Amino acid sequence: GESVGLHLPTLSVQEGDNSIINCAYSNSASDYFIWYKQESGKGPQFIIDIRSNMDKRQGQRVTVLLNKTVKHLSLQIAATQPGDSAVYFCACAGNMLTFGGGTRLMVKP
Amino acid sequence: EPEVTQTPSHQVTQMGQEVILRCVPISNHLYFYWYRQILGQKVEFLVSFYNNEISEKSEIFDDQFSVERPDGSNFTLKIRSTKLEDSAMYFCASSEIGWGSTDTQYFGPGTRLTVL
Repeated sequence: GESVGLHLPTLSVQEGDNSIINCAYSNSASDYFIWYKQESGKGPQFIIDIRSNMDKRQGQRVTVLLNKTVKHLSLQIAATQPGDSAVYFCACAGNMLTFGGGTRLMVKP
Repeated sequence: EPEVTQTPSHQVTQMGQEVILRCVPISNHLYFYWYRQILGQKVEFLVSFYNNEISEKSEIFDDQFSVERPDGSNFTLKIRSTKLEDSAMYFCASSEIGWGSTDTQYFGPGTRLTVL
């Protein structure tokens, strides 16, 4: 079955540094991938998405990279800020949206 | 900015009781979803709903669960006879088109269900 996993449960970075959060997926048929941010007590908030016909997509301070060969997805956050502290989930869409376990990003001032 | 809303924010119930969790999706959205998140665990898909019928459901969504769009704005999740293991955050989401496209699912703030 589909599984989506994250390599690190917690990532601690210095304010201003870049953050990289990784995710592996198992279903090679997945064609749409999303990163969500979840702050304490709130619902998942869409950050950025990418379709399988792309390998990179950039947003404001965020970049998603997709490597279909190794079924790996990453989220890069440039110049990480305290407001970026949250749990980040990757999700992939097949016939349903499957979430990874989450990585907690902690930003040190 | 339009947003998905959910009520109540916290629901406490006794095991075996029925609960109804309510959601108001974004008004021009056509696809609606329920997810749950047990404390400390992944967000898990429950069900998707389009055109007044279920389009997908997961193994979690058994006969104890049902969804309904009783009017033009509300989308509800009913759990007929709650179990202790139903305790979780329940998130409603909506999207304009539906996943598998470039559309985005917008999530509500969640309802925390506690079954005693």
